[in-house]
Amino acid sequence: NAGVTQTPKFRILKIGQSMTLQCTQDMNHNYMYWYRQDPGMGLKLIYYSVGAGITDKGEVPNGYNVSRSTTEDFPLRLELAAPSQTSVYFCASRQMGGSGGELFFGEGSRLTVL
Amino acid sequence: AQSVTQLDSQVPVFEEAPVELRCNYSSSVSVYLFWYVQYPNQGLQLLLKYLSGSTLVKGINGFEAEFNKSQTSFHLRKPSVHISDTAEYFCAVSVKTGTALIFGKGTTLSVSS
Repeated sequence: NAGVTQTPKFRILKIGQSMTLQCTQDMNHNYMYWYRQDPGMGLKLIYYSVGAGITDKGEVPNGYNVSRSTTEDFPLRLELAAPSQTSVYFCASRQMGGSGGELFFGEGSRLTVL
Repeated sequence: AQSVTQLDSQVPVFEEAPVELRCNYSSSVSVYLFWYVQYPNQGLQLLLKYLSGSTLVKGINGFEAEFNKSQTSFHLRKPSVHISDTAEYFCAVSVKTGTALIFGKGTTLSVSS
């Protein structure tokens, strides 16, 4: 099983550029999440989705957008990139049925905005 | 709202020594508790979780954690660490009726010989 796959693994953007981080899972999980990880700050939730067509904001949604047209895919869009968006981004998924389920993480996408 | 506090940002230990990574949480409702580990340049993977039942939870790689409701703590322990345990460890909490995990800031465990 591939699990959760994120692309690209690394990207450098100039201020004001836009890009999409891709996330795909092959476990038929309904719940998907985007977190960002900054040194010494842990993981902060950006957006999440409980199923196709349903998305909601997390703790730090400003500057980002998401869509969920299929169960498998949950892309994260950065519009007008800013240096504050330099971070490592993790996509995760879990099965439906209670919040006690294990989160499965991708390997991360490291983004630098210059 | 829920929150998680990991009391130590860095824990250096020698190989074969015991270790305890401390985690306290705050919540007005019942929660589930988790420990995740992140090895360098990788995503997070689950070490163990507490959902209900026995307050002593055993996980992978010889780690265990004890849920203490009165002290709102969920400390992670290992009796004898290896060099390969060097990693960042995250404590996380979710509300039983919620949808997302709230993570602590992480504790870097450095094991040296």
